[in-house]
Amino acid sequence: AQSVAQPEDQVNVAEGNPLTVKCTYSVSGNPYLFWYVQYPNRGLQFLLKYITGDNLVKGSYGFEAEFNKSQTSFHLKKPSALVSDSALYFCAVRDGDSGGYQKVTFGTGTKLQVIP
Amino acid sequence: DSGVTQTPKHLITATGQRVTLRCSPRSGDLSVYWYQQSLDQGLQFLIQYYNGEERAKGNILERFSAQQFPDLHSELNLSSLELGDSALYFCASSVGTVGTYGYTFGSGTRLTVV
Repeated sequence: AQSVAQPEDQVNVAEGNPLTVKCTYSVSGNPYLFWYVQYPNRGLQFLLKYITGDNLVKGSYGFEAEFNKSQTSFHLKKPSALVSDSALYFCAVRDGDSGGYQKVTFGTGTKLQVIP
Repeated sequence: DSGVTQTPKHLITATGQRVTLRCSPRSGDLSVYWYQQSLDQGLQFLIQYYNGEERAKGNILERFSAQQFPDLHSELNLSSLELGDSALYFCASSVGTVGTYGYTFGSGTRLTVV
């Protein structure tokens, strides 16, 4: 079975400081990894994905994520946080080697609060 | 606008009632996924349809059912509603069967059961 863990319910960071939102995963095959962001009363928006290739993935709004196979992690990062980045962030994973359908599993979400 | 349209945006209904939530996927997407988001259980996968056929089932209650029509829109039917069914219900779509490149989510339907 595949799973994803977001160990922090909430992350607080001052505006202008770097931010990190943590994610670890478990799959039996090669992982396909995703980050989504959800603003209040809105659906989830796709930020970035890792399928294969460079371990550092760049996405929307200046976010990036680093895939670390040995630590089974896919942490979301941004060099300088903006107040407008305050939102709920979801990490997601699916097993890229599974035959047929394998649904995407979402983490429980991490609330990011950027303090002015 | 993500391209995935969900209606209605808000729904308030009484316990025991039945409601239908509607989703139109992004143009060109053949897969539709339904998710339930509640405060205590996070984002739960309910069911997936691909080109009119049920593809996968998640934590969907027997009181809930869904279908995808020939024009690819999908409906999620919730019956014998309970207070605990109050949640945000999201629809997402993808081009293929497995969402390799990610899903596109709609804005959701907020269901309140009173």
